[in-house]
Amino acid sequence: SAVISQKPSRDICQRGTSLTIQCQVDSQVTMMFWYRQQPGQSLTLIATANQGSEATYESGFVIDKFPISRPNLTFSTLTVSNMSPEDSSIYLCSVVPGSNQPQHFGDGTRLSIL
Amino acid sequence: GENVEQHPSTLSVQEGDSAVIKCTYSDSASNYFPWYKQELGKRPQLIIDIRSNVGEKKDQRIAVTLNKTAKHFSLHITETQPEDSAVYFCAASKGRMGYGGSQGNLIFGKGTKLSVKP
Repeated sequence: SAVISQKPSRDICQRGTSLTIQCQVDSQVTMMFWYRQQPGQSLTLIATANQGSEATYESGFVIDKFPISRPNLTFSTLTVSNMSPEDSSIYLCSVVPGSNQPQHFGDGTRLSIL
Repeated sequence: GENVEQHPSTLSVQEGDSAVIKCTYSDSASNYFPWYKQELGKRPQLIIDIRSNVGEKKDQRIAVTLNKTAKHFSLHITETQPEDSAVYFCAASKGRMGYGGSQGNLIFGKGTKLSVKP
């Protein structure tokens, strides 16, 4: 299966600042997604990262807060903007390598906002 | 939209016993149902999945059953071992036209914390 690298693995940020998380895959993949996992909770889909076009956001998530880029089939970024303590979570990217293949997750970025 | 409910939230079993985790989904159009295992501080890892055209799937000690009529699916772990201790998440997806069920948006249950006592 695809090897997924997420950077940074963790960060501590000041409120009001922004952080960009990178997701790099070692092969071209069909689909890339971004999820949030709040402490002790389940995974919630933020958006689908579409190659060459705007991301598709789920209810409750907006582009101004979580801008996403996907310039090619192996790379995507998620920015968490104007952070507040409520944004403290693990952010995970996932990929679907190809048709009818399962989703695989990166190791996640553990984000804490002071 | 889709809603996935998972029970129980915690489960404690003795080593060697079986463990069963159940999930129900609301959207009859969902056609793909994966199960992920997440150990503390690690990524969710797929352990088994099932598509709506299959009623049961087995992989060694792990099996998943699907009842489309009742809209529920279950994870069965036999001969549990301490290393099975983790949080297990079920999920459901409708898939995308032409891409297959796994490429849809996964809607996750709230998770089950399984503890296997030696």
